[in-house]
Amino acid sequence: EIVLTQSPATLSLSPGERATLSCRASQSVGHYLAWYQQKPGQTPRLLIYDASNRATGIPARFSGSGSGTDFTLTISSLQPEDFAVYYCQQRSSWPGTFGPGTKVDIK
Amino acid sequence: EVQLVQSGAEVKKPGESLKISCKGSGYTFDSYWIAWVRQMPGKGLEWMGMIYPADSDARYSPSFQGHVIISADKSISTAYLQWSSLRASDIAMYYCARQDDAFDIWGQGTMVTVSS
Repeated sequence: EIVLTQSPATLSLSPGERATLSCRASQSVGHYLAWYQQKPGQTPRLLIYDASNRATGIPARFSGSGSGTDFTLTISSLQPEDFAVYYCQQRSSWPGTFGPGTKVDIK
Repeated sequence: EVQLVQSGAEVKKPGESLKISCKGSGYTFDSYWIAWVRQMPGKGLEWMGMIYPADSDARYSPSFQGHVIISADKSISTAYLQWSSLRASDIAMYYCARQDDAFDIWGQGTMVTVSS
């Protein structure tokens, strides 16, 4: 089973700042990595699929990069609605696995 | 509108059985894998398993194999997650999600509470 590690566990930033979230896989997942956002009490929402493709309706301030074992989700300028938990997930290898999440909170 | 609608919250006793559902609409239900994802209170997302409704090919994470059964009835565009004997450790929110290039559509979640 591929293990995904996310860092940092918590990221404290102010609105308008840039957020950089990391996801590292225990072995290569190619480009088969997705990012999700989850706000308290809400269902997860797909942001990025296949490492760098924005899902439908996702603002351009969200971008993904990476391949193999190292991936990054960047939020170029944090908006108040972006404070949430972010999960990465791989579908390269069965079973699919999620990372433990990075919480982005208000500084 | 493409959506997955899950059955409502459940409260059960330890040892009881349970089957929760996830009904798809607005797309060809047969053509996409449906996954089940667990989220224990205050914790992260865990991939449990998935099913391809067209032929009911079901696959499980080793962590959940043998404790749950995933099934589907394509005639009514519905996937199921069931337990034969619930445990206190099964308390969680359970989501179904459609697998395209990723989990692009999610159900609203079903909260399962197990308490004596």
